[in-house]
Amino acid sequence: GDSVTQMEGPVTLSEEAFLTINCTYTATGYPSLFWYVQYPGEGLQLLLKATKADDKGSNKGFEATYRKETTSFHLEKGSVQVSDSAVYFCVGGGADGLTFGKGTHLIIQP
Amino acid sequence: GAGVSQTPSNKVTEKGKYVELRCDPISGHTALYWYRQSLGQGPEFLIYFQGTGAADDSGLPNDRFFAVRPEGSVSTLKIQRTERGDSAVYLCASSPSSGRATDTQYFGPGTRLTVL
Repeated sequence: GDSVTQMEGPVTLSEEAFLTINCTYTATGYPSLFWYVQYPGEGLQLLLKATKADDKGSNKGFEATYRKETTSFHLEKGSVQVSDSAVYFCVGGGADGLTFGKGTHLIIQP
Repeated sequence: GAGVSQTPSNKVTEKGKYVELRCDPISGHTALYWYRQSLGQGPEFLIYFQGTGAADDSGLPNDRFFAVRPEGSVSTLKIQRTERGDSAVYLCASSPSSGRATDTQYFGPGTRLTVL
């Protein structure tokens, strides 16, 4: 079946640092790819998505590009803020629905 | 507008008891999903409704779990003879159409179930 692998956390960075959270997927066919985020005390919400190869999703300064050749969808942000502290989930979307990675807890220190 | 709501937010029960968890989706959303999230893991799919019918219940772990959506809006997840291993956060999500692969899903805050 489909699977999503993302880097283990917690990831701790200082404010204004560059962020990369790696994500790779295994699927039959080419799924849609998403990053969902869960801020402290809140429910899961969509951060960005890409529905086909070479698409770039972007939102709130975060970006991720759907790379078919490396089956990856790494999340990046050029300058993180304390308010970006949250748990980030890489998610594949296929015919059988959404498959979530285990989540990466991101901690940004002032 | 109102988002997805779930009640109760917390439920503590004893092993062997029956529990019901409720989900109110966003008004007008035809698709509704239930997930289970254990500590340190991502959500795992349980069941998917399109309207009133369960379009895919392949994620339900066994016949102690059952879900209904009789009028195509509110859904109830029912767990019989609860076991300690059922302890988890149960998440509900809805989306406006049937595109399981591409649609954005809108999640509720979850119900934390603890089985003693």
